[in-house]
Amino acid sequence: SQQGEEDPQALSIQEGENATMNCSYKTSINNLQWYRQNSGRGLVHLILIRSNEREKHSGRLRVTLDTSKKSSSLLITASRAADTASYFCATDQNVAGGTSYGKLTFGQGTILTVHP
Amino acid sequence: GAVVSQHPSRVICKSGTSVKIECRSLDFQATTMFWYRQFPKQSLMLMATSNEGSKATYEQGVEKDKFLINHASLTLSTLTVTSAHPEDSSFYICSARDYRTVMNTEAFFGQGTRLTVV
Repeated sequence: SQQGEEDPQALSIQEGENATMNCSYKTSINNLQWYRQNSGRGLVHLILIRSNEREKHSGRLRVTLDTSKKSSSLLITASRAADTASYFCATDQNVAGGTSYGKLTFGQGTILTVHP
Repeated sequence: GAVVSQHPSRVICKSGTSVKIECRSLDFQATTMFWYRQFPKQSLMLMATSNEGSKATYEQGVEKDKFLINHASLTLSTLTVTSAHPEDSSFYICSARDYRTVMNTEAFFGQGTRLTVV
């Protein structure tokens, strides 16, 4: 079952603006990952943040993680038309003993449209 | 990053027939592969987890006799949709991970298969 919820469900912005997407989850996690999906294609990994990390950067991407609130956010700065896609958060659940079965649980996703 | 190849990318089949989808890890050993289903504008729903050399573990509500999964080697898993119905039309995506290094590493996804049952 899907445990994550993302908001907004859809986001429409102009090129150059920043885009912020939020994700909430319910269980204890080892890490949280963000993926991007272009229409009708597979998923591309963007960034992984571990449960003991609070913030991570990769290029124009900034991810935060608040394990006390069980939430994460993805910020894309200076957006481009090519950033138009669906963005998903996925949690890697912490199974007993701190292990992981490798099963990711996905949020509902945010559809981002960046207008040129 | 590692490469996962999934094919076919698109398939149209008649009701009642079976369709096989392949998922291959090209440059690493995928001890575990995951099969997801995605409806338009929705998220990925995990269908089953397959471990090399053992039976797949299906999520609640997924019919194991309808969605046959085989993971015979460390580089190949197949999903066979048997006796396909129009309601099986969907986008199917596989994901591969190496269980031995799965902790705090990304998953690698195939490009997906668009199945249309007519």
